[in-house]
Amino acid sequence: GAVVSQHPSWVICKSGTSVKIECRSLDFQATTMFWYRQFPKQSLMLMATSNEGSKATYEQGVEKDKFLINHASLTLSTLTVTSAHPEDSSFYICSARAGGGAGTDTQYFGPGTRLTVL
Amino acid sequence: SQKIEQNSEALNIQEGKTATLTCNYTNYSPAYLQWYRQDPGRGPVFLLLIRENEKEKRKERLKVTFDTTLKQSLFHITASQPADSATYLCALDMKAGRRALTFGSGTRLQVQP
Repeated sequence: GAVVSQHPSWVICKSGTSVKIECRSLDFQATTMFWYRQFPKQSLMLMATSNEGSKATYEQGVEKDKFLINHASLTLSTLTVTSAHPEDSSFYICSARAGGGAGTDTQYFGPGTRLTVL
Repeated sequence: SQKIEQNSEALNIQEGKTATLTCNYTNYSPAYLQWYRQDPGRGPVFLLLIRENEKEKRKERLKVTFDTTLKQSLFHITASQPADSATYLCALDMKAGRRALTFGSGTRLQVQP
């Protein structure tokens, strides 16, 4: 089955530092990857959509200069939280959709990254 | 306004019974509706996808129905087990634009042994 990994699974950082989260599709090529954020007892909220080789598309209210997304290859997207603050503490989850052919309608999610900013 | 509503209160059932979870939506026209399972501190795991022209889909002990007139999907787990305890999310795919999913808030299911 399609597997998506994320690294790290959790990270604690000091306020003002930057944190990079990696999302990889392990056994398929993902033309599109999505980044979601989930606060406690709430549902997933889409932050941005990234396509390989092009700029990410951000949802309204998400600061693109704060949440830098790079989709450098068909199997890797990264999210960098720059100058993190305590309010950025959340559970970040990526998902990937295969490009072309059967199975493109399903999104496969990574295990998530718990970010805590002190 | 657009809304996706799932039972906000936890659903508690006895082992062996059928669990039925509801997903209602307003002012959306999804092409697909998907159900995911999420365990605490983990990402969602895909369970089933049903298309707008499908009434019902089954997979082992799982069954999903999709009524585009009522704008509702029902998700059933038959012969439930304690291991089925988790939060279940419904998600809409409009099959347009960026193809991102729009999630409901989820229903927590607790299966008692």
